[in-house]
Amino acid sequence: GEDVEQSLFLSVREGDSSVINCTYTDSSSTYLYWYKQEPGAGLQLLTYIFSNMDMKQDQRLTVLLNKKDKHLSLRIADTQTGDSAIYFCADDVNNNDMRFGAGTRLTVKP
Amino acid sequence: DGGITQSPKYLFRKEGQNVTLSCEQNLNHDAMYWYRQDPGQGLRLIYYSQIVNDFQKGDIAEGYSVSREKKESFPLTVTSAQKNPTAFYLCASNRGSGELFFGEGSRLTVL
Repeated sequence: GEDVEQSLFLSVREGDSSVINCTYTDSSSTYLYWYKQEPGAGLQLLTYIFSNMDMKQDQRLTVLLNKKDKHLSLRIADTQTGDSAIYFCADDVNNNDMRFGAGTRLTVKP
Repeated sequence: DGGITQSPKYLFRKEGQNVTLSCEQNLNHDAMYWYRQDPGQGLRLIYYSQIVNDFQKGDIAEGYSVSREKKESFPLTVTSAQKNPTAFYLCASNRGSGELFFGEGSRLTVL
């Protein structure tokens, strides 16, 4: 099947920016998503980007999409300890097949 | 408040036993999904259902079974045929496409 890849760990200091990267292989994706998972909980949608957009900004979150390189990134400005979580990149290959990366565990140090 | 409720949150099973995980949603969503999450791996799709009385196998359906008798409910049975069932199980729903809404998950441990 199609793959979504992301690095497993990221550690930053409180107040710094965090950048989580993701690559995907399916060029027919309509939307690409970022989900956040708190410890022992389900996933919650953080943000998403339509495939014909290059950038989307939502308060502290900036999503960049390079469709040519099939690269997606999530930047969190002024990272706080409450941002510590696992972040999943996902693309909707088709309506019933959303492909998830392995998740990047973000640790924010005081 | 609308949402997805999974139960139980924690479940222990002896080898050879079947167990059923409950998933209920009051979002009026047509589609429901079951995912398995293992450390260091992405979510893997077990089964999904687009409509009542119909469901399809996902990538890792072997050793699992589901039913969809009501729109609101999509229970997952982990059978004794599943060789490595210890995992975190997530139920999700949507209108058939787009954003997935997830439950809080059920952690199954085989003793």
